[in-house]
Amino acid sequence: EAGVAQSPRYKIIEKRQSVAFWCNPISGHATLYWYQQILGQGPKLLIQFQNNGVVDDSQLPKDRFSAERLKGVDSTLKIQPAKLEDSAVYLCASSLGGIGPANYGYTFGSGTRLTVV
Amino acid sequence: GENVEQHPSTLSVQEGDSAVIKCTYSDSASNYFPWYKQELGKGPQLIIDIRSNVGEKKDQRIAVTLNKTAKHFSLHITETQPEDSAVYFCAARPYGQNFVFGPGTRLSVLP
Repeated sequence: EAGVAQSPRYKIIEKRQSVAFWCNPISGHATLYWYQQILGQGPKLLIQFQNNGVVDDSQLPKDRFSAERLKGVDSTLKIQPAKLEDSAVYLCASSLGGIGPANYGYTFGSGTRLTVV
Repeated sequence: GENVEQHPSTLSVQEGDSAVIKCTYSDSASNYFPWYKQELGKGPQLIIDIRSNVGEKKDQRIAVTLNKTAKHFSLHITETQPEDSAVYFCAARPYGQNFVFGPGTRLSVLP
């Protein structure tokens, strides 16, 4: 099966500019996640979608970050305006969703490395 | 909320030796514990997982043990090979909530 696709792979922007990342999950995966991974740290959840609805966005800095998942498939994550501390790898992951450990397994994309200068 | 600690942060072993990475968690409601391997420039990849009703699970050279009483779980890699060099993350998932990842361990296997 095809994996989780993300683009672009790399992005360099100046602070205060805006940027958008795109994710296409594995076909049939109802749950989609966006994670932020700062260098040297584990991934931190930003937002979770179940189909096209938001399940958890408690750690999303909503003053500058936004995300959408139209039609319950592809998703975009936007940062506007970017700050220096937003430099990180942004990972998209998807899973079948549903109750129970059998549905817990994530598949991650390769991520987008953002550098804010 | 759940908090996951991971040790050591870096680990170097000789090729053929064993490597052990340990994680502790705080929430007794956590019931699923995966381990992910992240190679340079790639996203994390699931390598093994264990559920709270199991004490040990093995897959070829990789094994995971879980001690629910002490709230810790460990990854064991035997007969290490250069391709095992990567960053390894543990995670815990409380029932009904999302994963919380540890900070990662950079494993280097020296030839």
